[in-house]
Amino acid sequence: QSVLTQPPSASGTPGQRVTISCSGSRSNVGSNTVNWYQQLPGTAPKLLIYSNSQRPSGVPDRFSGSKSGTSASLAISGLQSEDEADYYCVSWDDSLNGWVFGGGTKLTVL
Amino acid sequence: EVQLLESGGGLVQPGGSLRLSCAASGFTFSSYAMSWVRRAPGKGLEWVSVISGSGGSTYYADSVKGRFTISKDNSKNTLYLQMNSLRAEDTAVYYCAKRSSKYYYDTSAYTDYWGQGTLVTVSS
Repeated sequence: QSVLTQPPSASGTPGQRVTISCSGSRSNVGSNTVNWYQQLPGTAPKLLIYSNSQRPSGVPDRFSGSKSGTSASLAISGLQSEDEADYYCVSWDDSLNGWVFGGGTKLTVL
Repeated sequence: EVQLLESGGGLVQPGGSLRLSCAASGFTFSSYAMSWVRRAPGKGLEWVSVISGSGGSTYYADSVKGRFTISKDNSKNTLYLQMNSLRAEDTAVYYCAKRSSKYYYDTSAYTDYWGQGTLVTVSS
């Protein structure tokens, strides 16, 4: 059972907009920044969003992040087949004194 | 270009030991904290440990505290993870990861680069 809660799966058709949620508590998402990672099958994770909503250079602006209270979300617009991957949120937890990941969301492009 | 190359994974019996290495290049190794993150088969990512840029400060997940030791040799640009008293639940792909800050306690920092991972299998 992960400290941060993500839906195990999400799906959409090419061109659609999908949103992946990440629910936490005051000790993690509510107090600290959230980062998002994409992991394509058989590859290493890749940073998608840092500090809740910042995009590293090279990440398309189709990807966006937001945070409100104890929840964060990742939005992907103009869905493409190459977006099919696992997505993870992560934040520091003040009570556990460690970084906690969400369980991951498997995105399927139909 | 930042590159992180892990090595040292393999098959080990329960209770055994293994040392992972991560050769880093493309950045000033001593200026950044480094961490290890793992992914068990069929499961999600789990943070394991972090070390400061200087190597003087370390931090561990409760699941590995007292069994794993993280270290770095800044003269060799290499990160290590010594794993002792291994258990079946330690079976995972272990990723070496570069943090965006030199401070291990910087909770607003993030992992900006990852290695390709090395598989550790703990089984009799």
